[in-house]
Amino acid sequence: KQEVTQIPAALSVPEGENLVLNCSFTDSAIYNLQWFRQDPGKGLTSLLLIQSSQREQTSGRLNASLDKSSGRSTLYIAASQPGDSATYLCAVALDSGYSTLTFGKGTMLLVSP
Amino acid sequence: DGGITQSPKYLFRKEGQNVTLSCEQNLNHDAMYWYRQDPGQGLRLIYYSQIVNDFQKGDIAEGYSVSREKKESFPLTVTSAQKNPTAFYLCASSWVSGGARVAKNIQYFGAGTRLSVL
Repeated sequence: KQEVTQIPAALSVPEGENLVLNCSFTDSAIYNLQWFRQDPGKGLTSLLLIQSSQREQTSGRLNASLDKSSGRSTLYIAASQPGDSATYLCAVALDSGYSTLTFGKGTMLLVSP
Repeated sequence: DGGITQSPKYLFRKEGQNVTLSCEQNLNHDAMYWYRQDPGQGLRLIYYSQIVNDFQKGDIAEGYSVSREKKESFPLTVTSAQKNPTAFYLCASSWVSGGARVAKNIQYFGAGTRLSVL
């Protein structure tokens, strides 16, 4: 059974720092990996999706990398801002024509001014 | 506006009562999903449906039931058999077939329903 682990569980940084969030998964036969953002009491917003054949995806100050063989992904946030404060969730879809997502528990990020 | 609408935002259940959470989407997505989120936890899959009149159990289906009579609607009933229903419930939808292959599996989420027990 696929298991997804996110480290650290919580992170507090001052504004302007570059930071890395980590995600690992036990079954490397994935179809894709997504990073989501969740604000308190809200739904999820998709940030980046990396297909299994890709190594990285970028969107603005966010960069996500994927090392499928080692079962790892990182989300890099450059020049963090207080508005980045949220919980970041990693989720993987298994390699089948249709599949559901398996989520990690998330990393709660606090960026202080 | 295209999107996924969940209602109500807050719901309270009395002991022994069944309650139904609504999820509607106007994105013309094939698949719909229900997840449960507990504090400090990731999302766990309750049920999912790929097409109308068909659905499959997820990891924690016990105590829940669903129906998929229309493509745009996927209501979730929390039955009295679910002994610990207090949680945040999220509905999502995605394409399964058609369009660019890359669009598959990108799930779009509603704003959630917070269920509490009185």
